[in-house]
Amino acid sequence: KAGVTQTPRYLIKTRGQQVTLSCSPISGHRSVSWYQQTPGQGLQFLFEYFSETQRNKGNFPGRFSGRQFSNSRSEMNVSTLELGDSALYLCASSLELAGAYPNEQFFGPGTRLTVL
Amino acid sequence: AQTVTQSQPEMSVQEAETVTLSCTYDTSENNYYLFWYKQPPSRQMILVIRQEAYKQQNATENRFSVNFQKAAKSFSLKISDSQLGDTAMYFCAFMKTGGGADGLTFGKGTHLIIQP
Repeated sequence: KAGVTQTPRYLIKTRGQQVTLSCSPISGHRSVSWYQQTPGQGLQFLFEYFSETQRNKGNFPGRFSGRQFSNSRSEMNVSTLELGDSALYLCASSLELAGAYPNEQFFGPGTRLTVL
Repeated sequence: AQTVTQSQPEMSVQEAETVTLSCTYDTSENNYYLFWYKQPPSRQMILVIRQEAYKQQNATENRFSVNFQKAAKSFSLKISDSQLGDTAMYFCAFMKTGGGADGLTFGKGTHLIIQP
């Protein structure tokens, strides 16, 4: 079974632009979570989607948004990019079956975003 | 909100030695899961081991085991017979019971270097 895939793997943008990152979960997984990883702040939870609905959101500004499609694929968008948005963005998927132990998250390789 | 603290930014041991990585956490929750994730230089985050808070027995996975002290809110990882391939960043993570909706809360990580 294929793992979590993220595209693109690397991205360079300039301040003020917007960017869209894509995540394809493991087949059959219904939940997709996004994380931001920076040297200073470490790994931080952005948001999680399940059945095309955002179930929870971390402490990030409204410039960070996402969505999930009917096939569970997810995208996240960052508008009006700032230098501080430079980071590795990780996507993780989980099965999310009722009663399933404990919804283990499988991570993708990440998208390295550089904002100049 | 919960916090996860890893007090060892970097550790270095010789191949075949045993090493213990420390993790403490703070939460008001009674039911939760704890995880250790490994992030090798390739950047793909991999689950190493997990522990349910309601279980008193410490989890083990081959050369990896944990020492879970719920009252002390401590969750250390022991790697026995360390191998060169164990070189990676190791993250301790917390998740409330109920699935991925609230996301994983990560520590800052410990960079483990296995010397030949």
